[in-house]
Amino acid sequence: SAVISQKPSRDICQRGTSLTIQCQVDSQVTMMFWYRQQPGQSLTLIATANQGSEATYESGFVIDKFPISRPNLTFSTLTVSNMSPEDSSIYLCSVLQGLTNEKLFFGSGTQLSVL
Amino acid sequence: DAKTTQPTSMDCAEGRAANLPCNHSTISGNEYVYWYRQIHSQGPQYIIHGLKNNETNEMASLIITEDRKSSTLILPHATLRDTAVYYCIAPSGGSYIPTFGRGTSLIVHP
Repeated sequence: SAVISQKPSRDICQRGTSLTIQCQVDSQVTMMFWYRQQPGQSLTLIATANQGSEATYESGFVIDKFPISRPNLTFSTLTVSNMSPEDSSIYLCSVLQGLTNEKLFFGSGTQLSVL
Repeated sequence: DAKTTQPTSMDCAEGRAANLPCNHSTISGNEYVYWYRQIHSQGPQYIIHGLKNNETNEMASLIITEDRKSSTLILPHATLRDTAVYYCIAPSGGSYIPTFGRGTSLIVHP
């Protein structure tokens, strides 16, 4: 399975600032995703990070708030812009792998707290 | 995704088998059943998946009923490290991208 490294692992940020989260995979993968997990909740898909084109966002998530980059097949970034306390969550990078890309693997996540 | 129903919580004694049920009565013929788990403060971990036949790997066994309306994840010898939230998912439309529900919180006690 892929080894997925996320940075930072946690951060405490001030309201109105932005944070960029990096996701590095040790092998080339076609499909990468970003999830959010709010406190006490399950995971919600934010977007699919597409290599060489704009990300595909799920309902309720927009590019201005969560810009995503995917410059190559091993790396992606998620920015949480103009943060508010409601953005305090765990943000998780994930990739599909397997013989037919049928298994989802996750990074260890970024714990974000916004004051 | 096909709707799945799981108990909110379960507990199991260490060393015993943990049997986690999942109901997916609306699953269609080409939708796989996946199981993931999330140990506290970690990202979710893939466990196993199947379509019709029972499956076994180094982590667990998956038993799917003949009508495919339900399945059971079996951890044959649960350890304290198996304490986690277990998610049963049936992605739809040929997608492998899961939609996570609330899952079952399994507590393994000594």
